[in-house]
Formats: sequence, structure tokens, C-alpha cells
Amino acid sequence: QKEVEQNSGPLSVPEGAIASLNCTYSDRGSQSFFWYRQYSGKSPELIMSIYSNGDKEDGRFTAQLNKASQYVSLLIRDSQPSDSATYLCAVNSWGSQGNLIFGKGTKLSVKP
Amino acid sequence: KAGVTQTPRYLIKTRGQQVTLSCSPISGHRSVSWYQQTPGQGLQFLFEYFSETQRNKGNFPGRFSGRQFSNSRSEMNVSTLELGDSALYLCASSLEGAREKLFFGSGTQLSVL
Repeated sequence: QKEVEQNSGPLSVPEGAIASLNCTYSDRGSQSFFWYRQYSGKSPELIMSIYSNGDKEDGRFTAQLNKASQYVSLLIRDSQPSDSATYLCAVNSWGSQGNLIFGKGTKLSVKP
Repeated sequence: KAGVTQTPRYLIKTRGQQVTLSCSPISGHRSVSWYQQTPGQGLQFLFEYFSETQRNKGNFPGRFSGRQFSNSRSEMNVSTLELGDSALYLCASSLEGAREKLFFGSGTQLSVL
């Protein structure tokens, strides 16, 4: 059974700080990595995807990938209270776990 | 463009009953996946349909079944409900060339009493 691990949190950061969310995965053959954001009572939405080692930036969000360490992270700069949500890390898979294996998510709370 | 539509939004059933959930994907999306989400287990994959065929199936008992129609709309059915089936059931659609980029519906919150 392939796994995606995340700290459940909650991770609490002050407004304006950098929030760092981490994820490790077990399948060395994984090629595609995603971050989904899920607000309380809402459904997940895709916010970032990354496919190669290094950093990928999109506005205040930066995804980082290190395939050798099997590690993915999401940095949120200048965190806002509206960033408070659960962040799900997902890794591609082709099998009985579906196209994506999701971590259980890290709950982020940004305090004003 | 309309998003993924799931109905009903909430359901309350009793043990032993059966339930059918409906999902209409984004126009042009032919792949539909179903997930079960619980606080303890997170998102668990149920099955994926494409062109009316089940393409992939998760590790759930046979009480969980699904189908897809020619217009890509999908339904999932759970028979002989158990208390442990209480969960948020999420449907997601995707383009064939980007099956990992899932667009989720609002979900159906199922409570089994």
C-alpha cells in the first residue's frame, strides 16, 4: 500500500508569516505531485502541481519537490487568515488507490 | 462553466437501507472518480469511470457500486448500509489528458443511523 504522510497539525502561524507544510511519499516511482486546499465544510480544490525537482512559484505559494528524499513541501508567504484551511498533499498512482493518493492533510490556522 | 454537481447534499439513512448518489461532471470531462472522506481515514478512492466503463476500483466491499451514463453523469450506490458508511462522498471529474487534476463537487454528506 503506497502512502502519503503529512503532519495533521494544527499548524498555527501569525498573519504575515511564512507557513511551511510538508509531505513525504512512499512510492519512489511517483512522478506528479499536487497540493489541494480544503476549507472547512467545502470540497478540495487544486492549488499547485509540481513534476520536477526544485521549486515552483505561483503568487504567494511555492511548491518544492525533492524526489531523492521523497519529500514535497508547500510554502505560503505572507499568510492571510483566508489561508486557514486543510492542505492535502497528493501523489500520482495507477492502481487500486486511484489516480491520486492523498495524505490526510495538515490543518493550517493563520491568526490575525 | 458549471462545476461538478452532486446531489443530494445531505442524506440520513438507517442501517440496512440502500442509497444512490448522483454526480454530474464538468462539461467535457469524461472521467469521474468517487472518494469517501472521513476524519480518521482522509480521502479514500472508491472507483473511477470513463466512457461508461469502470476503469479502476478501490478496496471497498462489493456493497459499493457505481455506473456512468453516456452523458458522463455518474451514480454510486451503497447497499445494506452500515454505521461505518457515514462519511462525505465526493465526486471528482477530470479531463482525459489530465486525470490527476481533479475537480471536486461539493459532496454528499451521508449519515447512517
